[in-house]
Parts: sequence; C-alpha cells; structure tokens
Amino acid sequence: EAGVAQSPRYKIIEKRQSVAFWCNPISGHATLYWYQQILGQGPKLLIQFQNNGVVDDSQLPKDRFSAERLKGVDSTLKIQPAKLEDSAVYLCASSLDLQVGYTFGSGTRLTVV
Amino acid sequence: QQQVKQSPQSLIVQKGGISIINCAYENTAFDYFPWYQQFPGKGPALLIAIRPDVSEKKEGRFTISFNKSAKQFSLHIMDSQPGDSATYFCAASMPGFQKLVFGTGTRLLVSP
Repeated sequence: EAGVAQSPRYKIIEKRQSVAFWCNPISGHATLYWYQQILGQGPKLLIQFQNNGVVDDSQLPKDRFSAERLKGVDSTLKIQPAKLEDSAVYLCASSLDLQVGYTFGSGTRLTVV
Repeated sequence: QQQVKQSPQSLIVQKGGISIINCAYENTAFDYFPWYQQFPGKGPALLIAIRPDVSEKKEGRFTISFNKSAKQFSLHIMDSQPGDSATYFCAASMPGFQKLVFGTGTRLLVSP
C-alpha cells in the first residue's frame, strides 16, 4: 500500500512569515495526526483528527497554528506567523487502529530564520 | 502524568552486542506500550509493542521486557547489527485514546 505522503520535504522561512504543510494519509485510515518533532526530542502531538473532526488539539498553539482535514482525507497544517522556536520536523501519521500502529510520513523539516 | 521517560539519550554498542533502552512511566492507566524505530530523514516506524498483561514479548532479535510494579519497560536488541543504528522511541497510550505519548528517544550506534 502507498505510504503517508507529505510535502514539502523542506522549507526555510523567515520569522513572522506563514507556511503550510500538506499530508495525504493511507487510504481508509480514519485517524490522522500531526506531530512536531524538535531536534533531539520525541514527537509531540499537535492535533488528532477522526475522519474530518478534531479529537484532540489540546497542545496546538492555536494563536498561530491551524489545521484542517477536508472530506476526511487530506490535511493541511498552517503556521502564521512563524517563530524561531517552530523550527522542527512536522510529521503526519495515520492509523486504522492504534494496535496496528501509526504509519508516519517522512515529515517536513521547517527552519525558521 | 502524561510523560514517558526514556534513557539513555545515546548508546554505542559493538556489533554482536546487546542494546538495552529503558523507559519509565507514572500513569498507571497506560495500557499499550510500543517501540518505534526512526532512521534519518524518515518517520518513525512501529517495531514491537506490548500490553501490561505479559512480562515479555519477543520478535526476532527484539524483545520488550515489562515490569508493571516498577512501571518500567525496556527494549533489548540481541546480536546488534550496524543496520540497527537508528533512533528508538518508546511510547504509551491509554485505553480509549487512539494517540501515543512518546519518550525523548535514544540514538543507537552499532559499531562494525
């Protein structure tokens, strides 16, 4: 089966600019996650969707981050305006069942300068 | 407490040796404990997982040992190979919550 697709792979922006990331999950996976992975740290959950509804966005900095999942399939994560501390890899994952495991995409490496 | 504490931060093992990575948790509601493996430039991938009703699970060269009373679990990689060089994350989840809390990661280097 095709994996989780993410784009772009890399992005460099200046602070206060905006940026958007795109994710296409594995077909049929109802649950989609966005994780932030800062260098040297474990992934931190930003937002979890079940179909096109938000299940958990408690750790999403809502003053600058937003996410949507259109028609329960693709998802976009936006940062506006970006801060230096947003430099990280943004990982999208999808799952059919947690016990089977997440399938992660390769991530988008964001550098804010 | 929604944290999972992982150690060591980095580990160097000779080829053929045993790699051991440890994790500890506080929340006794956690009921699912997977380990993920991440290679540079890739997303993490599920390696092996365990539930607290068993004390050990083995898949090939990878074994999870689980100590419920101590609230600790560990990953053992037997006969470590250079291809095992990667970052390993432990994680945990609670029943009814389809999401994982990850540890801080262990960077493993297996020297030839």
